[in-house]
Amino acid sequence: QSALTQPRSVSGSPGQSVTISCTGTSSDVGGYNYVSWYQQYPGKAPKVLIYDVSKRLSGVPDRFSASKSGSTASLTISGLQAEDEADYYCCSYAGSYTSVFGGGTKLTVL
Amino acid sequence: QVQLVQSGAEVKKPGSSVKVSCKVFGGTFSTYSITWVRQAPGQGLEWMGRIVPDVAIGNYAQKFQGRVTLTADKSTSTAYMELSYVRFEDTAVYYCATGSGIWSPDYWGQGTLVTVSS
Repeated sequence: QSALTQPRSVSGSPGQSVTISCTGTSSDVGGYNYVSWYQQYPGKAPKVLIYDVSKRLSGVPDRFSASKSGSTASLTISGLQAEDEADYYCCSYAGSYTSVFGGGTKLTVL
Repeated sequence: QVQLVQSGAEVKKPGSSVKVSCKVFGGTFSTYSITWVRQAPGQGLEWMGRIVPDVAIGNYAQKFQGRVTLTADKSTSTAYMELSYVRFEDTAVYYCATGSGIWSPDYWGQGTLVTVSS
């Protein structure tokens, strides 16, 4: 169970859109529709934004959207706001009732 | 409203064991699985395992097989994560989480810092 691959960092200016990728294999991302995305601020517990590939948790702004193609999932944040600056993690079911996280991406709002 | 309250910080010597508790308030403890995730200082999230309290069956990440034991006490709505033979690299914040999304728990505990130091 290797960690899913995410870019270490991405950045964008307020109002712009950014996309964070999450690459796995056919044993995790590519094999199941159980990809979730988490937002984490320093010193805080993670918060789930997206589950089951593209479903937004209640209360999550529609600026956050996600999708999957093959073994790569993506999170897109449109209309960037300063408060979006955080760490983002993808997570996928990996079979045998286990999951695996991505390495995390630090989003900087310029 | 579901709330998860974890036990306090621990300092352990290498080779010893640590047991972290996670008490669930609100919701239905037995119905949802409890997931454990850890985060080493400055590092990413790492999925450790999950347990379904109703059937007391735990599933573990390969990396932790044989060293982590997940248990749940339905009478007190408390889940436990015990890590044995701790090493310096086990120093991390350990989180428990639960919710209706089996693979995307939406309620998280506050985290428990476990420090392994000689």
